[in-house]
Amino acid sequence: GDSVTQMEGPVTLSEEAFLTINCTYTATGYPSLFWYVQYPGEGLQLLLKATKADDKGSNKGFEATYRKETTSFHLEKGSVQVSDSAVYFCALSAGGYSGAGSYQLTFGKGTKLSVIP
Amino acid sequence: DGGITQSPKYLFRKEGQNVTLSCEQNLNHDAMYWYRQDPGQGLRLIYYSQIVNDFQKGDIAEGYSVSREKKESFPLTVTSAQKNPTAFYLCASSPQGQAAPLHFGNGTRLTVT
Repeated sequence: GDSVTQMEGPVTLSEEAFLTINCTYTATGYPSLFWYVQYPGEGLQLLLKATKADDKGSNKGFEATYRKETTSFHLEKGSVQVSDSAVYFCALSAGGYSGAGSYQLTFGKGTKLSVIP
Repeated sequence: DGGITQSPKYLFRKEGQNVTLSCEQNLNHDAMYWYRQDPGQGLRLIYYSQIVNDFQKGDIAEGYSVSREKKESFPLTVTSAQKNPTAFYLCASSPQGQAAPLHFGNGTRLTVT
């Protein structure tokens, strides 16, 4: 079945440090890939997405590139801020080819990021 | 502004009681979902619905029930058969399509004692 593996946290960085959160996936067909962010006590928000190989998703200084050859979608940011402290989830959607129209997401377990001043 | 409203934010129940969590959306989305979130386990799909009056079990449906009588509403009932109901519950919706992102509510934290 489909699966997403992301690096275990927690990750603690100083403000302005470089961030990488690794994400690899297993899926049949051609999945769409997503990064979601969850701030304390809230639901998840879409951060960025990519729908085909070599696409780069970007938002709020975060970037991730869809690498089919390595089945990866690593999240990066050049200079993190305290306000980036949150839990980050990698996810994939691989529905469609089954014909069942089921597009539910498969999520990784989340990586908690803490940024200290 | 359109969005998803989950209520209440915190819910406390005694063991053996059924409890219903509310989820309403005004985004005109066809699909709606319920997820359960536990520390260190990410999100697990309980039920989803792609159209009114139809829904399917997700990965952990045992002990839960849902209904989808209106496009805007997808309530979740946590029954007394659910062995470990204390968790953070998230409702989401999306338009149809593989690349369509999910829009989440702010969740309901259920505590059963």
